[in-house]
Amino acid sequence: GAGVSQSPSNKVTEKGKDVELRCDPISGHTALYWYRQSLGQGLEFLIYFQGNSAPDKSGLPSDRFSAERTGGSVSTLTIQRTQQEDSAVYLCASSDAGLNEKLFFGSGTQLSVL
Amino acid sequence: AQKITQTQPGMFVQEKEAVTLDCTYDTSDQSYGLFWYKQPSSGEMIFLIYQGSYDEQNATEGRYSLNFQKARKSANLVISASQLGDSAMYFCAMKGGGYNKLIFGAGTRLAVHP
Repeated sequence: GAGVSQSPSNKVTEKGKDVELRCDPISGHTALYWYRQSLGQGLEFLIYFQGNSAPDKSGLPSDRFSAERTGGSVSTLTIQRTQQEDSAVYLCASSDAGLNEKLFFGSGTQLSVL
Repeated sequence: AQKITQTQPGMFVQEKEAVTLDCTYDTSDQSYGLFWYKQPSSGEMIFLIYQGSYDEQNATEGRYSLNFQKARKSANLVISASQLGDSAMYFCAMKGGGYNKLIFGAGTRLAVHP
């Protein structure tokens, strides 16, 4: 596709359930990011993949959060045993490698944990 | 560690006037990039402007310019001739080195009044 695609666009789940969020980056982009944005707040960095390097997981808030990127393309963010404080918009972005390369963002997944 | 600070949670400006949104940063990298993004109420992230640490000229993109003061570690965004459509959240972001992650400031909410 022409842009970064995220699915689902909305996810409602019950506390304690696991959820998987998917991101399809722009073809050829080597960098992929996941951010979390609570209502009216800034973008909280979660995890960063760059090519074949080990991902930078320094932003993951707890061991309930994990992400993988298969074949250098599609990425899945998994949240286990969801809590109400996990409710937020989860944004994925991709870019070419390089200092001046801007990020292209997906439309996000709105996660609501009841 | 890298850090981005936006000290203005909210700003307002009269239509057709200029406004400056503040951004300071901290990094130990010699080479880094600075970005500004706009997020309207629709939630999409729109890239506005980029400044490299070695760029001698301040970046400009249409009505947007970046007032880059390297010694002060500031990268303020100047919007000239404000329009009602400029009302949005504005985020400053930084990427250090060639393959480091992009981190965002907390954002400034700009309201343009007619």
